[in-house]
Amino acid sequence: DAGVTQSPTHLIKTRGQQVTLRCSPISGHKSVSWYQQVLGQGPQFIFQYYEKEERGRGNFPDRFSARQFPNYSSELNVNALLLGDSALYLCASSPRLGGNTEAFFGQGTRLTVV
Amino acid sequence: ELKVEQNPLFLSMQEGKNYTIYCNYSTTSDRLYWYRQDPGKSLESLFVLLSNGAVKQEGRLMASLDTKARLSTLHITAAVHDLSATYFCAGGWLVFGKGTKLTVNP
Repeated sequence: DAGVTQSPTHLIKTRGQQVTLRCSPISGHKSVSWYQQVLGQGPQFIFQYYEKEERGRGNFPDRFSARQFPNYSSELNVNALLLGDSALYLCASSPRLGGNTEAFFGQGTRLTVV
Repeated sequence: ELKVEQNPLFLSMQEGKNYTIYCNYSTTSDRLYWYRQDPGKSLESLFVLLSNGAVKQEGRLMASLDTKARLSTLHITAAVHDLSATYFCAGGWLVFGKGTKLTVNP
């Protein structure tokens, strides 16, 4: 079975541009979460989606947005990129919310803003 | 708001030795996770701890959870070089600690 897949794996953007990152969850998983990991730090929660609805949002500015599609894949959009947005963006999928749910992470998208 | 603190943040140990990584969290969390991350790689799930007193073991790693003390530990037994990585604990959904960078030296 395929794990969580993210695309692209690497991306270089210029300040002020917009970027879209994509995530396909494990088959059968209905929840997708997004995290930002700055070099040397732990991942920071950005969004959680379940059954195409936003179920949680971290402390990130409105420049960050996301959505989940009927096939449970997800996109993370970041507008007006800043140098500080350079990070590894991780997507995690899980079968459901709460309980003994385990999150499985994709390989990440490394975004560099220049 | 849940906060998760790990210590130590850096750990250098010799092969064959034992050590423990500590994870404290600030408010009630009904679950606690441990992940491993190799340089430039994603997060690999190690353990999910769901109840007070839970103990799980996999190879040389053993994790435990004390919900009353709001403390989880990751114990490393007879470390080997292959265990060198950064280890994260996380509570809730998902609030991560800063990670413990473990280096196992020959």
